[in-house]
Amino acid sequence: SQKIEQNSEALNIQEGKTATLTCNYTNYSPAYLQWYRQDPGRGPVFLLLIRENEKEKRKERLKVTFDTTLKQSLFHITASQPADSATYLCALTGGGNKLTFGTGTQLKVEL
Amino acid sequence: DAGVIQSPRHEVTEMGQEVTLRCKPISGHNSLFWYRQTMMRGLELLIYFNNNVPIDDSGMPEDRFSAKMPNASFSTLKIQPSEPRDSAVYFCASSLGDRDTGELFFGEGSRLTVL
Repeated sequence: SQKIEQNSEALNIQEGKTATLTCNYTNYSPAYLQWYRQDPGRGPVFLLLIRENEKEKRKERLKVTFDTTLKQSLFHITASQPADSATYLCALTGGGNKLTFGTGTQLKVEL
Repeated sequence: DAGVIQSPRHEVTEMGQEVTLRCKPISGHNSLFWYRQTMMRGLELLIYFNNNVPIDDSGMPEDRFSAKMPNASFSTLKIQPSEPRDSAVYFCASSLGDRDTGELFFGEGSRLTVL
């Protein structure tokens, strides 16, 4: 069956450090993978998209990698700040524009 | 643009009652999605529409759930009769329907509590 797995345990890091979140998938051959941020009581907000033929993508302090051999994407936030604390969701499509989400990883950045 | 607008933001109802959730997508977007989010199961896709036509409703839990999109600017998700296990946050999202990107724009959600 198709699965998208993210660490269910919260990730706690100190301000200024790099946060690294993992997204693993099975039985998908996605053309692209997306990352979203969700704050409590709010809807998810799109952050980045990476295509299957791209190894890495950057946007300001964010970096995403995509390894289709390992079936894994890594999401990095450099120089993390308390305002980065949120739940981060990865999402991918198994066909068409039907987007399936992982369960998300909660990130807490402490002072 | 006001973004995706959902109503009501909160709904508390009793088991057996009918619940109707509403969504106004972003103008010009061709695809509309209904998701349900719970702690146990995360964000689940219930149904999505392209150009007002339902494309995939395989995520709709059972016949008690129905969704309509009578025009490009309005969609409803109805639960009749509601049950306590339907308690969740229901999100509507829209996109340009471009297969190249597929970026979704979410509303703020409708939190449903069925007693």
